[in-house]
Amino acid sequence: DQQVKQNSPSLSVQEGRISILNCDYTNSMFDYFLWYKKYPAEGPTFLISISSIKDKNEDGRFTVFLNKSAKHLSLHIVPSQPGDSAVYFCAAYSGAGSYQLTFGKGTKLSVIP
Amino acid sequence: DAMVIQNPRYQVTQFGKPVTLSCSQTLNHNVMYWYQQKSSQAPKLLFHYYDKDFNNEADTPDNFQSRRPNTSFCFLDIRSPGLGDAAMYLCATSRDFVGEGEQFFGPGTRLTVL
Repeated sequence: DQQVKQNSPSLSVQEGRISILNCDYTNSMFDYFLWYKKYPAEGPTFLISISSIKDKNEDGRFTVFLNKSAKHLSLHIVPSQPGDSAVYFCAAYSGAGSYQLTFGKGTKLSVIP
Repeated sequence: DAMVIQNPRYQVTQFGKPVTLSCSQTLNHNVMYWYQQKSSQAPKLLFHYYDKDFNNEADTPDNFQSRRPNTSFCFLDIRSPGLGDAAMYLCATSRDFVGEGEQFFGPGTRLTVL
């Protein structure tokens, strides 16, 4: 049973527009969420994170929103650039001292020039 | 640059022939992880080491073993690879168990089983 779900396997967006990647989770014990970005032939690299005590975290063009009541988070990329084309993974930890990072299956973003 | 290095990047083995994948880190992190990722699937944690303490996930097959001879190196041994073990194997590190903060990933080793 998947605890972190990314229901859109792929997303195409025009350069300069907003990309919105969605993630849903089922485990109410999750309290820290991360987004990773993965280019082909490379390992996932950390992009941005959010703690459950916040509902928004922003880093440059990247913003993550968390809606705890809906168990939903989203990653916004504005403006989207061709170099953002990659697979984006949503991941979550449950509790202080946790080691287990639970991943979603990923969403492949294609930014079209 | 401090990093997580995996060798080889591509490994081909035969059905039933033991294979070892290696991971090294220059981050001096306490924790090292091995993940298995099959095509279009989420990375799945196999096991991790906190320093020398080994922790196996409950559903990791016995066919998979690991060794961590020192802080910098960690090995994944697959004793008798089956066709279903073909996957990308990712090594990751973290400074500690804090329930937040990132894990740092290597580039992965893609294993093919013939």
